[in-house]
Amino acid sequence: GQQLNQSPQSMFIQEGEDVSMNCTSSSIFNTWLWYKQDPGEGPVLLIALYKAGELTSNGRLTAQFGITRKDSFLNISASIPSDVGIYFCAGQGGGTSYGKLTFGQGTILTVHP
Amino acid sequence: ETGVTQTPRHLVMGMTNKKSLKCEQHLGHNAMYWYKQSAKKPLELMFVYNFKEQTENNSVPSRFSPECPNSSHLFLHLHTLQPEDSALYLCASSQGDRDYQPQHFGDGTRLSIL
Repeated sequence: GQQLNQSPQSMFIQEGEDVSMNCTSSSIFNTWLWYKQDPGEGPVLLIALYKAGELTSNGRLTAQFGITRKDSFLNISASIPSDVGIYFCAGQGGGTSYGKLTFGQGTILTVHP
Repeated sequence: ETGVTQTPRHLVMGMTNKKSLKCEQHLGHNAMYWYKQSAKKPLELMFVYNFKEQTENNSVPSRFSPECPNSSHLFLHLHTLQPEDSALYLCASSQGDRDYQPQHFGDGTRLSIL
């Protein structure tokens, strides 16, 4: 089946620093999604990407859909304490997995004030 | 407020009990999903329903029995569960079950099997 490799697994940063995380796959996807999960809650959709090469921002968050359709990255600028949480990438569709989401393992972000 | 509500939030049950998880979405979506989230593992898709019809069963053991009476409600009936079934069970919904339609998640039910 399709698999995603998300890195890094965890990050410890100071408030105000920029953050970058990425996902790669051996398979192509039609959509890339980035979610954030806070403790005790479900994943919340941050950014959805629908076209290869697309660069989309949501406030301090920027994500890109790789031109090969096999990768995506998420950047967070000027991190703040409430950015703490687990960030998941998810690829959707492509090949025989039409409509299905394949999730990365998650990046645990810790922000020190 | 995510638009997807799951109850109960926490559930502790013995291996011989029967219980049900409930999910309700207020987003006008037509597709609903059950996922299992275990520690240190990616989210695992369990079931997909589109317009009340099951379109995906990801080789889930029969001790998990889904029910979708309408496009807004989804249940997961549990019986004779095993300790390894302890996990966070997440419900999600989307406009349809095709590509380009992002899924929105509830806050999950934390299930513990004694």
